[in-house]
Amino acid sequence: NAGVTQTPKFRVLKTGQSMTLLCAQDMNHEYMYWYRQDPGMGLRLIHYSVGEGTTAKGEVPDGYNVSRLKKQNFLLGLESAAPSQTSVYFCASSYSVTGGENTEAFFGQGTRLTVV
Amino acid sequence: AQKVTQAQTEISVVEKEDVTLDCVYETRDTTYYLFWYKQPPSGELVFLIRRNSFDEQNEISGRYSWNFQKSTSSFNFTITASQVVDSAVYFCALTGTASKLTFGTGTRLQVTL
Repeated sequence: NAGVTQTPKFRVLKTGQSMTLLCAQDMNHEYMYWYRQDPGMGLRLIHYSVGEGTTAKGEVPDGYNVSRLKKQNFLLGLESAAPSQTSVYFCASSYSVTGGENTEAFFGQGTRLTVV
Repeated sequence: AQKVTQAQTEISVVEKEDVTLDCVYETRDTTYYLFWYKQPPSGELVFLIRRNSFDEQNEISGRYSWNFQKSTSSFNFTITASQVVDSAVYFCALTGTASKLTFGTGTRLQVTL
């Protein structure tokens, strides 16, 4: 099982450039999340999705857009990268969050993004 | 709004000591789930435990134990007889009916010989 796969694993961008981070899961999970991790800040939720075709804002959505056109994929876009977006980005997915046994989130390996 | 507070930024212990990591949460939901995750130096996030709001039983798994108290909105994690391999950042997390999975800022545990 691949689980949750993030692409790419590392990237360096110049200020103003755009890019898309891809998250793919093969567990048929309904819920998917994008987080950023910065020193001392923990994991902060950027956007999330509760199902195919749906997205919602998290704690720190500014400067990012997302799409969930297919259930297995959740894309995070940076239209005009800024140095403040230098971070480690994690994608996660879960089957359910409020019922049953399978509520825990499974995480990808992370994407280290540097904006110069 | 929901919130998770991990007031301990960093803890250092000597191997074989017991250590407790604190987690305090806020939520208006009556149904919610609490989690603990471990992030070792390699960077991946490892699921440790899940607890729902209707189950206040404490849980023990080997050297790990968890104490959930709704009266104080706390979900604390204790490692007994710590080992160097326990060195990691530990995150407490919360989700409720809004489906947001909210994390605390984490506690870095350093276990030395």
